[in-house]
Amino acid sequence: EVQLVESGGGLVQPGGSLRLSCAASGFTFSSYWMHWVRQAPGKGLVWVSRINSDGSSTSYADSVKGRFTISRDNAKNTLYLQMNSLRAEDTAVYYCARGYNPIDYWGQGTLVTVSS
Amino acid sequence: QSALTQPASVSGSPGQSITISCTGTSSDVGSYNLVSWYQQHPGKAPKLMIYEVSKRPSGVSNRFSGSKSGNTASLTISGLQAEDEADYYCCSYAGSSAWVFGGGTKLTVL
Repeated sequence: EVQLVESGGGLVQPGGSLRLSCAASGFTFSSYWMHWVRQAPGKGLVWVSRINSDGSSTSYADSVKGRFTISRDNAKNTLYLQMNSLRAEDTAVYYCARGYNPIDYWGQGTLVTVSS
Repeated sequence: QSALTQPASVSGSPGQSITISCTGTSSDVGSYNLVSWYQQHPGKAPKLMIYEVSKRPSGVSNRFSGSKSGNTASLTISGLQAEDEADYYCCSYAGSSAWVFGGGTKLTVL
């Protein structure tokens, strides 16, 4: 069974940093592209970032480019999102998700709240 | 990277059919047959319902179907059931290794 379990969310002040993790199991992690998608409270899904299967290629939404960094450790079956210079508008549930086309499996998400 | 346009809400009675539209541009929906649809119940993770415009993953009811014409994709749910009440999101590949989601549609089963 495919499982994606996010962790690392919490309350952070504006301008602060946070690193999210996503532990994967039930599939060959190193064979799949992975994504981060976020959802602000009461709002829709927004694609944030993706990384290819070996970690050599990444891409980002304009809203987080230069502030967020996606990475992965295939030996540990773990996906990461380093978030710097956080803003109030980054407050959201952050989901890790698997796939290229389509994005097929999602974790349950971790809540990031940016507030003073 | 503008969001795809979906109606905010749709509704239907049990047994009826509804259609949710998803309008993008010639740079995303219109350029790729890589539109997918997700169902999200409150407090839950999204679930893939349709991919590559009209394909259903294993285990998804054949009451769900998808189509596309030009820059607009559509999700149709036939034989509405109470359990179909949820939020639905479309998603399209937008080129340059970027994806874009719709704003979401709340389906109410009357």
